[in-house]
Amino acid sequence: EPEVTQTPSHQVTQMGQEVILRCVPISNHLYFYWYRQILGQKVEFLVSFYNNEISEKSEIFDDQFSVERPDGSNFTLKIRSTKLEDSAMYFCASTTGAGANVLTFGAGSRLTVL
Amino acid sequence: AQSVTQPDIHITVSEGASLELRCNYSYGATPYLFWYVQSPGQGLQLLLKYFSGDTLVQGIKGFEAEFKRSQSSFNLRKPSVHWSDAAEYFCAVGARNTGNQFYFGTGTSLTVIP
Repeated sequence: EPEVTQTPSHQVTQMGQEVILRCVPISNHLYFYWYRQILGQKVEFLVSFYNNEISEKSEIFDDQFSVERPDGSNFTLKIRSTKLEDSAMYFCASTTGAGANVLTFGAGSRLTVL
Repeated sequence: AQSVTQPDIHITVSEGASLELRCNYSYGATPYLFWYVQSPGQGLQLLLKYFSGDTLVQGIKGFEAEFKRSQSSFNLRKPSVHWSDAAEYFCAVGARNTGNQFYFGTGTSLTVIP
């Protein structure tokens, strides 16, 4: 069964450092998403991406965040200067976008900011 | 404003007992409704979804959910729980427009005791 893969599974970084989280969506999917889950809290939408541009973003997705699809297969989330409160599990998801909007999620990347 | 409420943070049931996880939503339009399960160290796996039609939907692993518009609810049920069902369960509501984000509840953690 096709799956969304995410790397790294866990990253530890110092506050102020840049972090790039990588995702390989399902190959025939057209819409890509990042969500995050702070420990003990709900899964929150960050951003959706279609046709090589952001289609929607939440208030959380400020100027410190950016997304990119650099090579037609990877979908990356960059945090420019990490803060302690960026510590969370980050989930990538994708969907075909055709008709029903069912998201397939990756296993997540856990980010710990010290 | 869109929101999803899962009133039960943690539920413990005995193996073989029945299960019902509650979900209430607030959404301006007719929603798509989903239940996802997250096992430890895993991503979010789709259990079942409701788009339209029959309000009782069947999912994987023996789960079912019933959409009740009058109560704005989409409760998840299973007649006989297995130890492997121990996980975190998330209810989510999505828009009918492709590319829009999901709104997740805070999750219900299920413990199954032998």
